[in-house]
Amino acid sequence: AQTVTQSQPEMSVQEAETVTLSCTYDTSESDYYLFWYKQPPSRQMILVIRQEAYKQQNATENRFSVNFQKAAKSFSLKISDSQLGDAAMYFCAYSTSGSRLTFGEGTQLTVNP
Amino acid sequence: DAGITQSPRYKITETGRQVTLMCHQTWSHSYMFWYRQDLGHGLRLIYYSAAADITDKGEVPDGYVVSRSKTENFPLTLESATRSQTSVYFCASSEGPGGFEAFFGQGTRLTVV
Repeated sequence: AQTVTQSQPEMSVQEAETVTLSCTYDTSESDYYLFWYKQPPSRQMILVIRQEAYKQQNATENRFSVNFQKAAKSFSLKISDSQLGDAAMYFCAYSTSGSRLTFGEGTQLTVNP
Repeated sequence: DAGITQSPRYKITETGRQVTLMCHQTWSHSYMFWYRQDLGHGLRLIYYSAAADITDKGEVPDGYVVSRSKTENFPLTLESATRSQTSVYFCASSEGPGGFEAFFGQGTRLTVV
């Protein structure tokens, strides 16, 4: 079974600084998808960024980018110029084309003013 | 309103009672999912549905029942609630499995006393 591990239960960053959240996964598949979801205090789950494993180029969405290391099975999220609104629980997730999302345990990010 | 809505947002019930959590989506997405969120576990899949009248078990299905007579609705029933089912429940929908983005409802906080 595929597993997703987020080894950092909590992280903090100063406003305007950069922070990296870690995620590793275990799979025997060669084609799959990776996601980062954000859950602010409102509880609403929001997709931050998505990566297709066959694409070597790292995905970016404005201030959010990933470092996808396929051989190492690592998928970290970098948040640049952190803002107070980035404070949330962040979940890493994995899926294959025919399967459902498998989530990590989450990382609680605090942004300090 | 367009989107995916869950009801109720909060529910307190007694051990042994039957309770149903409702989920409605307006996009006509074929796939719908039920997750539960617990500290230290991230989100775990309870049941999912690929289309009307097609449902399948996820990671933690015991004690839960689902049905999907219409594409837009996917209710989750706890047949005889237990304290271990105290959790936050999320419904989600997507156009397909795997690499498609999942859109989440705002969650239902269920407390079983």
